[in-house]
Amino acid sequence: GQQVMQIPQYQHVQEGEDFTTYCNSSTTLSNIQWYKQRPGGHPVFLIQLVKSGEVKKQKRLTFQFGEAKKNSSLHITATQTTDVGTYFCAGRSSNTGKLIFGQGTTLQVKP
Amino acid sequence: NAGVTQTPKFQVLKTGQSMTLQCAQDMNHEYMSWYRQDPGMGLRLIHYSVGAGITDQGEVPNGYNVSRSTTEDFPLRLLSAAPSQTSVYFCASSTLNTEAFFGQGTRLTVV
Repeated sequence: GQQVMQIPQYQHVQEGEDFTTYCNSSTTLSNIQWYKQRPGGHPVFLIQLVKSGEVKKQKRLTFQFGEAKKNSSLHITATQTTDVGTYFCAGRSSNTGKLIFGQGTTLQVKP
Repeated sequence: NAGVTQTPKFQVLKTGQSMTLQCAQDMNHEYMSWYRQDPGMGLRLIHYSVGAGITDQGEVPNGYNVSRSTTEDFPLRLLSAAPSQTSVYFCASSTLNTEAFFGQGTRLTVV
């Protein structure tokens, strides 16, 4: 069945350093979504990418969708302590509509 | 507009007991789903539904039942709780093409 793999599982950075998490799907996706979950909270939607090769930016966050629509990345420039949390990618199957999440990358930022 | 309402927030069960986790949404979303979150495992899909009267299994369906008699409600039933079902459970809803909205989560402990 559809699988979404995400690496790394954990990342510790010094405040001001950059951070990247990568997401790979075993199947072609109709879209890819990214979520952030703060400790003790629930996942909150960040962005959705739909087109092959799409790049979107939200302030210091840059999201990319691969040309084959099977991989994606989230890059944070100059991390801040407010970026702490777990970042999930999620792929929507075009066949079934189900939304499968990656394992998540937990980001810790040292001030 | 309450979004996704999930109850209870906390629950302790004894092995073998049954219970139902409630989930309701008021956004007229066709897609609803249940996930469980365990450390290092990300969000794993238990069951999902693409509309009233339609349900399907996700990645980890064993030990759980669902039904979707209305668009608004998608309860998750544990028929005979086991310690392996100790987890945080999230309900989510969306349209088939847009972002998922999550409930606040249920922290379930089975002793």
